[in-house]
Amino acid sequence: GIQVEQSPPDLILQEGANSTLRCNFSDSVNNLQWFHQNPWGQLINLFYIPSGTKQNGRLSATTVATERYSLLYISSSQTTDSGVYFCAVERGNAGNMLTFGGGTRLMVKP
Amino acid sequence: NAGVMQNPRHLVRRRGQEARLRCSPMKGHSHVYWYRQLPEEGLKFMVYLQKENIIDESGMPKERFSAEFPKEGPSILRIQQVVRGDSAAYFCASSSTGNTEAFFGQGTRLTVV
Repeated sequence: GIQVEQSPPDLILQEGANSTLRCNFSDSVNNLQWFHQNPWGQLINLFYIPSGTKQNGRLSATTVATERYSLLYISSSQTTDSGVYFCAVERGNAGNMLTFGGGTRLMVKP
Repeated sequence: NAGVMQNPRHLVRRRGQEARLRCSPMKGHSHVYWYRQLPEEGLKFMVYLQKENIIDESGMPKERFSAEFPKEGPSILRIQQVVRGDSAAYFCASSSTGNTEAFFGQGTRLTVV
């Protein structure tokens, strides 16, 4: 099956700093989503981005499908950004059965 | 994603008991997916259902686990004769069609004692 690797596995930032999280995948995909799992365990949709670039406030994401990677940018980080960020992809055409990466655990310090 | 409703949020079962996890998809969504998250790990796909049909159950253990999505009512993930290794967070997701954005519920945290 498809492999999804995220880097870095752990990241500590000072509040206000910027960061880039990376997601590499081993095969072509039809769907790609970024999620934030907050400290309470809730999965929050950030981006649905099989290709191209999207922005939502302090967050933006870019997927280069031909080179099989996606990037999540967090600017002016806040303590509420802490948690685990997951990238998930889907290869097929008949259902959004996602394969998740191992996640990037982010801690933002005040 | 607050629209996908799972209950209960927390469930404690003794070894050998049955666990029933429920998921109501977002309004207008007819595709439901179940995932399992072990501590400190990512989510793993278990099963994909549409109304009254199991589409793909390749990620679900062959024994003790079953899932359904009846014509009326929520989707149910059933685990019979639970063991300690079944302790995990179980998430349900839904999408409007098979190839669109999936939204997740808040999960059910199962603890087997």
